[in-house]
Amino acid sequence: AQSVTQPDIHITVSEGASLELRCNYSYGATPYLFWYVQSPGQGLQLLLKYFSGDTLVQGIKGFEAEFKRSQSSFNLRKPSVHWSDAAEYFCAVGARDSNYQLIWGAGTKLIIKP
Amino acid sequence: NAGVTQTPKFQVLKTGQSMTLQCAQDMNHNSMYWYRQDPGMGLRLIYYSASEGTTDKGEVPNGYNVSRLNKREFSLRLESAAPSQTSVYFCASSDQMNTEAFFGQGTRLTVV
Repeated sequence: AQSVTQPDIHITVSEGASLELRCNYSYGATPYLFWYVQSPGQGLQLLLKYFSGDTLVQGIKGFEAEFKRSQSSFNLRKPSVHWSDAAEYFCAVGARDSNYQLIWGAGTKLIIKP
Repeated sequence: NAGVTQTPKFQVLKTGQSMTLQCAQDMNHNSMYWYRQDPGMGLRLIYYSASEGTTDKGEVPNGYNVSRLNKREFSLRLESAAPSQTSVYFCASSDQMNTEAFFGQGTRLTVV
């Protein structure tokens, strides 16, 4: 069955420290991969996406993610977090088929320590 | 540049009441979606419309109906609200299925 796992429900990081949020997927087809961010009380905003090509993808707000096919992972990274990065982060997977729906992870809430 | 607009932002319903959530997008997107978001469960797809004139069930369609009124508008109707439908509802749109989706600000619905 298709699934997306974000193993960490919460992550606490000190301001200025590096960040890695994990995303693992189980998907039969070649995936499209997305990371979205949701600030409190807001809708979701796309951070970055991978469709094909270079497996290291740059996004907005200084985020990047790396697609590792052998590990079925698409982890999100940032070298130095800011207090404004406190939010919930969602990984999603789709496929190159118009009948497939996006499969969403349950989200990881990022808490920033001052 | 409005993007995806949802109305209302907040709503309280009594059990058994009906209501329609409205969604409109101004990006000329083909595909539109309705999701619900519950704590610890991420986003769950209720219904989607791959293109104007089509609608399909998602993961959790029971208790809901939708209408793709035109290319811009996609409404979600609760015919007889239940407390289990207390949630935050998001409308989204994309140029094609499974490409980048743009989200509205959400509707926080409470059914008492």
